[in-house]
Amino acid sequence: GDSVTQMEGPVTLSEEAFLTINCTYTATGYPSLFWYVQYPGEGLQLLLKATKADDKGSNKGFEATYRKETTSFHLEKGSVQVSDSAVYFCALVSGTYKYIFGTGTRLKVLA
Amino acid sequence: DTAVSQTPKYLVTQMGNDKSIKCEQNLGHDTMYWYKQDSKKFLKIMFSYNNKELIINETVPNRFSPKSPDKAHLNLHINSLELGDSAVYFCASSPLRGNQPQHFGDGTRLSIL
Repeated sequence: GDSVTQMEGPVTLSEEAFLTINCTYTATGYPSLFWYVQYPGEGLQLLLKATKADDKGSNKGFEATYRKETTSFHLEKGSVQVSDSAVYFCALVSGTYKYIFGTGTRLKVLA
Repeated sequence: DTAVSQTPKYLVTQMGNDKSIKCEQNLGHDTMYWYKQDSKKFLKIMFSYNNKELIINETVPNRFSPKSPDKAHLNLHINSLELGDSAVYFCASSPLRGNQPQHFGDGTRLSIL
């Protein structure tokens, strides 16, 4: 079946460091890919998305590129801030309504 | 306007009680979901309804019963609450067309004493 694998956390970085959170997937067909962010005490918010191969999703300085050849959708940010501290989820949907989420990666950014 | 709203935000109750969580979305979406998030942030799908019809029913104890009176509402009723039911429950919605993201509510934190 479809699945999403993302790197285990926690990831701890200093402010202004470069961030990469790895995400790989297996899916039949052509899934759409998403990154969600969950701040403490809140629900999941869509951070960015990509719907076909080679698409790059971007938002708030975060980027991820849909790589079909490596089945990956790694999240990157050039310079993280303390306010980026949150849990990040990689997810896919393949077909009409079956969404698959990764296990989440907690990011902690230190001032 | 809140897109997906859940009530209550917090629910503290005794083992053995019955409780309900309500969810409403004003996005005009056809499909709604319930997820359970444990203390390690793992997100598990429980149920999904499309236009009032149950389409996903994962392995969940039958003490959990979803009800969808219309496509904008999906409620979750839990009978005979157990300690292991303590978690955060999220409602979500999405359009029927499958390449669009889900929208989540802020969650209901359920604590069983």
